[in-house]
Amino acid sequence: GAGVSQSPSNKVTEKGKDVELRCDPISGHTALYWYRQRLGQGLEFLIYFQGNSAPDKSGLPSDRFSAERTGESVSTLTIQRTQQEDSAVYLCASSAGTSLNNEQFFGPGTRLTVL
Amino acid sequence: AQRVTQPEKLLSVFKGAPVELKCNYSYSGSPELFWYVQYSRQRLQLLLRHISRESIKGFTADLNKGETSFHLKKPFAQEEDSAMYYCALNGGATNKLIFGTGTLLAVQP
Repeated sequence: GAGVSQSPSNKVTEKGKDVELRCDPISGHTALYWYRQRLGQGLEFLIYFQGNSAPDKSGLPSDRFSAERTGESVSTLTIQRTQQEDSAVYLCASSAGTSLNNEQFFGPGTRLTVL
Repeated sequence: AQRVTQPEKLLSVFKGAPVELKCNYSYSGSPELFWYVQYSRQRLQLLLRHISRESIKGFTADLNKGETSFHLKKPFAQEEDSAMYYCALNGGATNKLIFGTGTLLAVQP
């Protein structure tokens, strides 16, 4: 079946605009994660969903960042009033559960550039 | 604090040479560690995890709790091993991953 998909693949926006990034997880995967990777840095955890609830939002860098998930399906990450430091690749991953044997499968990422 | 350190940004070796990609971690509990790989124009994928004690594509990694290390090794590098390698730590009950900054492995012919 299809893997994790993300859209758009690239997004260029002006400082101060809002953006929405979308993630379609693998069908049946209950766990969904958002990470971001800024240039020269490792991936940083942002938020974790189990079903449509988000028990761990500890990685969201500011209140300009929010995310939601519809059931065990699509998730959107919204960044309001974008800043240049938000420029990064945003990666989504899904897994069948949270036991250690449940591998996280990653999407191709959305490259966000804030001018 | 939970942290993963990969000290080398770039490791360049010749085909057939041994490879060791270094990874050190900081974690207060019993760590679960992984290596992820990203080949050119492909998505990030799991290479191996320490709990499986497996060898994938000739790579192995041993968890050394005394040295808090999880170095990735391969005795004879191949050109197709050229990729970005990330060491990652399981960050707790939610299985969120804590990543190092990655090491680019370049295998020269």
